[in-house]
Amino acid sequence: AQSVTQPDIHITVSEGASLELRCNYSYGATPYLFWYVQSPGQGLQLLLKYFSGDTLVQGIKGFEAEFKRSQSSFNLRKPSVHWSDAAEYFCAVEPYNNNDMRFGAGTRLTVKP
Amino acid sequence: KAGVTQTPRYLIKTRGQQVTLSCSPISGHRSVSWYQQTPGQGLQFLFEYFSETQRNKGNFPGRFSGRQFSNSRSEMNVSTLELGDSALYLCASSLGLQGRNEQFFGPGTRLTVL
Repeated sequence: AQSVTQPDIHITVSEGASLELRCNYSYGATPYLFWYVQSPGQGLQLLLKYFSGDTLVQGIKGFEAEFKRSQSSFNLRKPSVHWSDAAEYFCAVEPYNNNDMRFGAGTRLTVKP
Repeated sequence: KAGVTQTPRYLIKTRGQQVTLSCSPISGHRSVSWYQQTPGQGLQFLFEYFSETQRNKGNFPGRFSGRQFSNSRSEMNVSTLELGDSALYLCASSLGLQGRNEQFFGPGTRLTVL
């Protein structure tokens, strides 16, 4: 079955530390891949997306993600986390041949001072 | 440029009632998608409208319906409300159909069903 999995429900990191949020998908062909961030009481904001080409994608706010076809993964990374990065992060996938976007369950990020 | 707006922001209804939520997309955007967000089920796609036509639909019962007007504004209707319909309903707009076109999300409408 087609699915997208974020294995970590909640992650806590110290400010200034590096961050990696995991995302795995199960689709027959490589779908479009996205990372969104949602702050409390807000809608979702797109951080970055992957359609094709270079497997390392740069996004806003210093985030990047790497697509690894062999692992069906699209992990989000940031070298140095800021307190303002505390939010919920969603990985999303959409098959290239239809418009049914599926979201992962989300990973809540807490940043310690 | 104004962002996606959703009205109302908060709504309280009782079981059996119906509700209509409104979404105004970013000017020039022709696609509007609706999502339901709950703690238990997460974010789920409801449907997408483009040029006043429903282009794609998620796995929700027929009680959930929508429409899009010629100015791209969209409404979502839920009839015969159930307790489980309590959720944050998010609207997103994009220039074209979702996927290759970036979606911009509104702040959502928080619906509580008592």
